[in-house]
Parts: sequence; C-alpha cells; structure tokens
Amino acid sequence: AQRVTQPEKLLSVFKGAPVELKCNYSYSGSPELFWYVQYSRQRLQLLLRHISRESIKGFTADLNKGETSFHLKKPFAQEEDSAMYYCALTGASKIIFGSGTRLSIRP
Amino acid sequence: DGGITQSPKYLFRKEGQNVTLSCEQNLNHDAMYWYRQDPGQGLRLIYYSQIVNDFQKGDIAEGYSVSREKKESFPLTVTSAQKNPTAFYLCASSGLAGNEQFFGPGTRLTVL
Repeated sequence: AQRVTQPEKLLSVFKGAPVELKCNYSYSGSPELFWYVQYSRQRLQLLLRHISRESIKGFTADLNKGETSFHLKKPFAQEEDSAMYYCALTGASKIIFGSGTRLSIRP
Repeated sequence: DGGITQSPKYLFRKEGQNVTLSCEQNLNHDAMYWYRQDPGQGLRLIYYSQIVNDFQKGDIAEGYSVSREKKESFPLTVTSAQKNPTAFYLCASSGLAGNEQFFGPGTRLTVL
C-alpha cells in the first residue's frame, strides 16, 4: 500500500537542542518527497523538497531509498520553529500526506 | 497571501443541506486539489483536477462533488450524503500535478 507515516504526533524539544522529525514512506515507484509546514495562523506552505537538496531555515532532509525515509533535521532548534509539519509524497500524479507532527520548542 | 483564495472562512449549515465551498486561483496553475484536514489525520485528498473539464477522485470522494469549468476555479460541493461533513477544508493548486502545492487559507464547515 502507498502511504506516508509520521510516527510522532507531538515532538517537544528545548531551544538549542537538535530536532529530527521522522517520515517513512511506502511507494512502489520513484516518488518525490516534500516537507510542508504550517505556522500558527498561517497557511500550509512548502518547506523543502528532496530534489532541491537545499537547506531552508536551517532544516535539511535526505531521501534514504534503502530505508524509505525522509527525516527532517535541524541541529539547533529555535522557538520560531514551533509549527505543524507534514511529510508528503507525489508520484504518478498522486499525492499522499502524512498525518503530521506538531513540533513544540520549549524556551 | 494572494494567489489562491477560499471563501467563506467559516460556514454553518443544517444537516441534510448541500453546501458549496469556493476556491479560486490566479496563479495560472493547471492542477487544483481539495483536502480535508481533521485532527490527528493530516490531510486527506478528496478530489483533484489536472486540467479544465477533468477531475479525479481522491481517497475520500464519497459524499463530495466538484467541477472544473474554468482554470481559475474549482468549487467543492459537500452533499447530504457525506456522513461526517464537519471539518476544515483546504484547497491547493500546483503548476503541474506532482509539483509544489500552494494552499488557500481554508474553510471551516460546521454542520448543525
């Protein structure tokens, strides 16, 4: 079955601590992976995509095809990183979102 | 925040009534999407359209209908057949299916 799994509904870390939001996927073809973010009172928006291989707001994500994972990482969390994060997969015109992880940064 | 708009922001309807949610985009995007967002369940795809006058069912299309008569517009009708219509509905568009999606602000529908 095609799916995107985000095992953590809530992740709470202290400011300055490393962050890793997990994303695992199941897809038979060659998917494209994305991370979307929704800050409080803002629209859902793209954070980064695997093909661009860039760092956005200090976040990076590497596609690991062997482990079928696309974990989102940041070495030092900031309070403004508190938000809802969604991992998403597209392939053959189909798009699948994970259930989301709420990241809370404690001061 | 322009580009893709949804109206109204809040909508209340009585049980058994059909209701139509508006979604408009001026990004010249070919593809448009409707999602339902429920707590703990993330985004679930209702319908999507890759081109005018064509659309496909998503994972939870039962009880919903759409039309795509114009490139800019993709209205969603929540029919009385939808068993649990109270939810937050998000519309999105992308230049091509599978590319980055741009989301609207959402409509919160409450059925009384």
